Amino acid sequence: AQKVTQAQTEISVVEKEDVTLDCVYETRDTTYYLFWYKQPPSGELVFLIRRNSFDEQNEISGRYSWNFQKSTSSFNFTITASQVVDSAVYFCALSEPSSGSARQLTFGSGTQLTVLP
Amino acid sequence: DVKVTQSSRYLVKRTGEKVFLECVQDMDHENMFWYRQDPGLGLRLIYFSYDVKMKEKGDIPEGYSVSREKKERFSLILESASTNQTSMYLCASSPGFTGGDEQFFGPGTRLTVL
Repeated sequence: AQKVTQAQTEISVVEKEDVTLDCVYETRDTTYYLFWYKQPPSGELVFLIRRNSFDEQNEISGRYSWNFQKSTSSFNFTITASQVVDSAVYFCALSEPSSGSARQLTFGSGTQLTVLP
Repeated sequence: DVKVTQSSRYLVKRTGEKVFLECVQDMDHENMFWYRQDPGLGLRLIYFSYDVKMKEKGDIPEGYSVSREKKERFSLILESASTNQTSMYLCASSPGFTGGDEQFFGPGTRLTVL
């Protein structure tokens, strides 16, 4: 079973629109970490945020915000007032430290976001 | 500034060739990882290493081997390249022993096998 699901393969919005990228995860562990990474056209993945399973507070950083809901096993990412520079592939990832593969990240398949001018 | 570098951005090889992809990190990290990235499949872990000379298989190790002789360097080896190994290869490193740490990525190597 897929542990991290990003159902949206591609999203296209017009500049200044808000956009939400969905991430649903699956784990039996009570302690786990969730991540979002951005991969711009240059190719290098850039870390955006890490959230542990005991911290359900939503996070806001400028135009970015994250909504973590354990009840629905979701960790969604919203970009407010999107800009062309936000165009990238966004990955959600899961880490389960108590598992046999403690140091690994399990990535979703990614969402390609295109922001049109 | 944190840095992970990969030896090539683009590489073209012929079927059957032996291919070396090199990765170097300057952060004194314990863990290093090799992923391949294919459209629609996200990042899939090939191998990782948590110490010098130590390695563990990831999800798709077949057709690959790795080498970590020094802490800062992690090499991915394709013993006999095949066309289905055409892909983007990403190297990453992380500091921790217990998991939950952010991974730092290199710029990637786009390998084409003809």
